[in-house]
Amino acid sequence: NAGVTQTPKFQVLKTGQSMTLQCAQDMNHEYMSWYRQDPGMGLRLIHYSVGAGITDQGEVPNGYNVSRSTTEDFPLRLLSAAPSQTSVYFCASRSGQVYGYTFGSGTRLTVV
Amino acid sequence: GENVEQHPSTLSVQEGDSAVIKCTYSDSASNYFPWYKQELGKGPQLIIDIRSNVGEKKDQRIAVTLNKTAKHFSLHITETQPEDSAVYFCAASSNTGNQFYFGTGTSLTVIP
Repeated sequence: NAGVTQTPKFQVLKTGQSMTLQCAQDMNHEYMSWYRQDPGMGLRLIHYSVGAGITDQGEVPNGYNVSRSTTEDFPLRLLSAAPSQTSVYFCASRSGQVYGYTFGSGTRLTVV
Repeated sequence: GENVEQHPSTLSVQEGDSAVIKCTYSDSASNYFPWYKQELGKGPQLIIDIRSNVGEKKDQRIAVTLNKTAKHFSLHITETQPEDSAVYFCAASSNTGNQFYFGTGTSLTVIP
C-alpha cells in the first residue's frame, strides 16, 4: 500500500515554462487536494476534488489547473511558471468517512 | 474565510517536560480540528484530531483540547522525547471537510 505518491520530488523550471506535478493514491479515496507550503505561511489550499470529474478552487488557485479523470490521479498543472510559484507542493487524499488527510512526501519546485 | 492563528512559532523544551501549542480560529462554522506533525523533508502526518462536539481527546502522550466558546484549541504533549522534535500544524475545517485552513506551524525542539 503506497499511500499518496508524488512525482517528481524536485524540479527546477524557467519562468514561462509549463509542467505537471503528478499525484496518485491507491486507497480509493474520494477527496484529493493540492497544497503549497511556503516559509512562515503554513499550508494553503490550491485546488481540491470531491470525486472523479469534480474539482473546485481553494485559497490560492491562480496560475494552476487541475483535472480529476480517475479516482486515483489528481495532477496539478502550471501553465506558465512564475518565480512566485517557487514552493513545496503537497498532494493529499482522504476518504468520505474520515476527515483526516493523508499527505504525500511533496514536490520541491524552484522557478528561476 | 477562516483564519487560523498558531502560537508559539518556536518552542524548546527539555526531554521529559510537557509542550503546549495553541491555535485560535475565526469561523464559528468550523467543527473539525486536526493536528499534523511534519518531520524534515516529509509530508505532514495526522497525529490527533477533535470534533466540535468533544472537549478533549487523548492518545497516549498527546492530547487536544477544544474551547468552542473562545474559539481556541490546544495540543498537549507530555513526557516529551527527542523524536517529538518536528514542526506541528493545527488546522480547522467546516462541516463539508473540503477546505482545511492551516496555522503557520510550531517548530518544536526537544533537548536531550
